[in-house]
Amino acid sequence: DTEVTQTPKHLVMGMTNKKSLKCEQHMGHRAMYWYKQKAKKPPELMFVYSYEKLSINESVPSRFSPECPNSSLLNLHLHALQPEDSALYLCASSQAGTGGLSGANVLTFGAGSRLTVL
Amino acid sequence: GQQLNQSPQSMFIQEGEDVSMNCTSSSIFNTWLWYKQEPGEGPVLLIALYKAGELTSNGRLTAQFGITRKDSFLNISASIPSDVGIYFCAGLRNTGKLIFGQGTTLQVKP
Repeated sequence: DTEVTQTPKHLVMGMTNKKSLKCEQHMGHRAMYWYKQKAKKPPELMFVYSYEKLSINESVPSRFSPECPNSSLLNLHLHALQPEDSALYLCASSQAGTGGLSGANVLTFGAGSRLTVL
Repeated sequence: GQQLNQSPQSMFIQEGEDVSMNCTSSSIFNTWLWYKQEPGEGPVLLIALYKAGELTSNGRLTAQFGITRKDSFLNISASIPSDVGIYFCAGLRNTGKLIFGQGTTLQVKP
């Protein structure tokens, strides 16, 4: 299995809702990532988990809460979001975490979850 | 913050033409990656470059890791309509953090 699977593919939520995005990989990768991508822009790093521990938080607002239940799963909990948070949220994984060998840090991306906040 | 300058920003070419795009940086990278993203999908890795001067091919795609470690280019030969998408370069620092270029949008006219 060489895929990163993200669910749901599309999500529409109000500003008072609580929802979660889910990500799963079975490649034995030990690092997992959340990225946010606006239309026609490059992905922007949000969080990195390395060996199931949060290693990077790119000053993301607390209305986004990541969780890594085990080495294969990564969640992003969403609460009290704003319309400007509407974007494509990408999950990725790599063999190694930050500071690892170059080849081991090559990221494999999922197809993304398209989030619309009303 | 760290930036990669990717050019051109967009290209509109005729099917069968060759395409060239590049990325430059003021800083050194250990690895250069080229990704392609199609609408509604995540970025897909095309080519990974690990050594300065390395020239790597993947079918009609050829990419090079610049000798100075501050630049990379991607060539696509004999373009076809399914080459349409956004191409991103990305540089990997020794911290493990991936820095993306701004992307090159490619459109191919049949």
